[in-house]
Amino acid sequence: EADIYQTPRYLVIGTGKKITLECSQTMGHDKMYWYQQDPGMELHLIHYSYGVNSTEKGDLSSESTVSRIRTEHFPLTLESARPSHTSQYLCASSELGRSPYEQYFGPGTRLTVT
Amino acid sequence: QKEVEQDPGPLSVPEGAIVSLNCTYSNSAFQYFMWYRQYSRKGPELLMYTYSSGNKEDGRFTAQVDKSSKYISLFIRDSQPSDSATYLCAMGYSGNTPLVFGKGTRLSVIA
Repeated sequence: EADIYQTPRYLVIGTGKKITLECSQTMGHDKMYWYQQDPGMELHLIHYSYGVNSTEKGDLSSESTVSRIRTEHFPLTLESARPSHTSQYLCASSELGRSPYEQYFGPGTRLTVT
Repeated sequence: QKEVEQDPGPLSVPEGAIVSLNCTYSNSAFQYFMWYRQYSRKGPELLMYTYSSGNKEDGRFTAQVDKSSKYISLFIRDSQPSDSATYLCAMGYSGNTPLVFGKGTRLSVIA
């Protein structure tokens, strides 16, 4: 079973607040990803990282930022939450050198902005 | 046109049925074809993965890729209630490009 953790699992917060969603993995994977998933819709990649100090934006425009200071940790930050940010956020990781698409997902953070 | 199309269902079948889940795609450059299973309130988990074309079998699950028709399938034999989940197809070009996901098909297997 994959060892990738996300906290919090559920978050309800008011508009304008700063939020950090945490993601950690204990598998030593170099690649990490953040996806956004709305009900009945595709997973959309919002950020990814191929190693420490490497971050890239995905195909979905996002007002969030990420950092990768340690291999195991890939937090996502929203500086000012809005109701349009209400969604499920999934973190994933994969091992460099193996199939790039054998991604292991965390359980997700369900965010509601009121 | 979306790069990956997947019927969201829902699909409801009796226990023991053979289930066929499908995706079509438009980009002939895709080389990696994946199926993920997602239970309610959980993250997706990789079920099967195929590189290029052909079939792959793992227990009750068979993945097929038909690149000439740009069509992939996942077959589940002897379906069980524990197979009730959302099944997402996903595709990629090469090692350093992001995966493209379908919307997922919600499957219910009724005992």
